Amino acid sequence: DAGVIQSPRHEVTEMGQEVTLRCKPISGHDYLFWYRQTMMRGLELLIYFNNNVPIDDSGMPEDRFSAKMPNASFSTLKIQPSEPRDSAVYFCASSSSNRGTEAFFGQGTRLTVV
Amino acid sequence: AQSVTQLGSHVSVSEGALVLLRCNYSSSVPPYLFWYVQYPNQGLQLLLKYTTGATLVKGINGFEAEFKKSETSFHLTKPSAHMSDAAEYFCAVSVKAAGNKLTFGGGTRVLVKP
Repeated sequence: DAGVIQSPRHEVTEMGQEVTLRCKPISGHDYLFWYRQTMMRGLELLIYFNNNVPIDDSGMPEDRFSAKMPNASFSTLKIQPSEPRDSAVYFCASSSSNRGTEAFFGQGTRLTVV
Repeated sequence: AQSVTQLGSHVSVSEGALVLLRCNYSSSVPPYLFWYVQYPNQGLQLLLKYTTGATLVKGINGFEAEFKKSETSFHLTKPSAHMSDAAEYFCAVSVKAAGNKLTFGGGTRVLVKP
């Protein structure tokens, strides 16, 4: 398996622009998580899905953030409009309720908003 | 809700010396516990996990950790540090009732001196 695949790896955008981050989970996994990593706040869970349904979005910082999972093999995290304080590394992770308890992480998307 | 505290944001060890990273957790129900490692510009990789059973768990790269319920701890050790162990290490907790979502500690950055 190729693991969790995120794109792009790096994104530089101007303040006010829309940003879309993409994630392909491991095939067969039924949980998908979006995390944000910053120096100040560490690793924060933004939202997670189970069987494509959002379960807990309490970590989404503002209405500017939205996430979707239209099918089992694809998820997006969108920021609109983006702000400099959104600069961070965003990780997607997936796990299986049938094959262990650990989550597998993608390589992350490093977002810089200027 | 669960929480994790990692004592020491930075640890410096000499090559060949013992590595000890401390992790304490809080959970009102039996936890699942994890250690992840993050190399620069990479995602998180699972080192080891405790779910049930034997409280001393062995992971990759010679690391091991012991679950001590009475102390609510899950410290990570490696008898002899190698230069390649320089990375950031994260302790995390999850509980079955909350899906597989992970709550992370703040991380400990390990520097290995020759």
